[in-house]
Amino acid sequence: DAGVIQSPRHEVTEMGQEVTLRCKPISGHDYLFWYRQTMMRGLELLIYFNNNVPIDDSGMPEDRFSAKMPNASFSTLKIQPSEPRDSAVYFCASSLGRRNEQFFGPGTRLTVL
Amino acid sequence: AQKITQTQPGMFVQEKEAVTLDCTYDTSDPSYGLFWYKQPSSGEMIFLIYQGSYDQQNATEGRYSLNFQKARKSANLVISASQLGDSAMYFCAMSFLNTGFQKLVFGTGTRLLVSP
Repeated sequence: DAGVIQSPRHEVTEMGQEVTLRCKPISGHDYLFWYRQTMMRGLELLIYFNNNVPIDDSGMPEDRFSAKMPNASFSTLKIQPSEPRDSAVYFCASSLGRRNEQFFGPGTRLTVL
Repeated sequence: AQKITQTQPGMFVQEKEAVTLDCTYDTSDPSYGLFWYKQPSSGEMIFLIYQGSYDQQNATEGRYSLNFQKARKSANLVISASQLGDSAMYFCAMSFLNTGFQKLVFGTGTRLLVSP
């Protein structure tokens, strides 16, 4: 079975540009999560969905960040406009059911110049 | 407040030896889950083991076991017979009843180096 798929794996962009990160969860999983990892703040949950519906976006840092899940097999995290402090590794994860372990994608390393 | 503490920024162990990675937590939630994840240098997060707060027995998964001491609020990871491929960052994480068991809170991690 394919794991969680994220694209792109690496993204380098200039400040002010729009960035879109993509995620395909494991088939059949009903929860999807977006995390950000930085040296300063560690791993932080940004937002999560249940059955394509956003449940908790309290971790989204600013209005510049938005996430969508149009269907069960696809989600996007968009940053517009991007800033250098958004540089981080962004992980997507999915799980089946409330109490089960989350399976992480390989991450997208974002660099904003 | 919910807090996870990993006090060991780095640990060294020789191949084939056992190693314990510490994790303590603070929560008033009566029900919670404890997780350990491994992050090798390639960057992906790999799930290792899970323990529920009401589980009577300590969880084990192959060479990984979780030494859960509820009264001490600790959930240490024990890796037996270390291998060179175990060199990685290890994160302790928790989920809580009051957030529906879905929001994972991570510790700061411990870097493990296994030497030949």
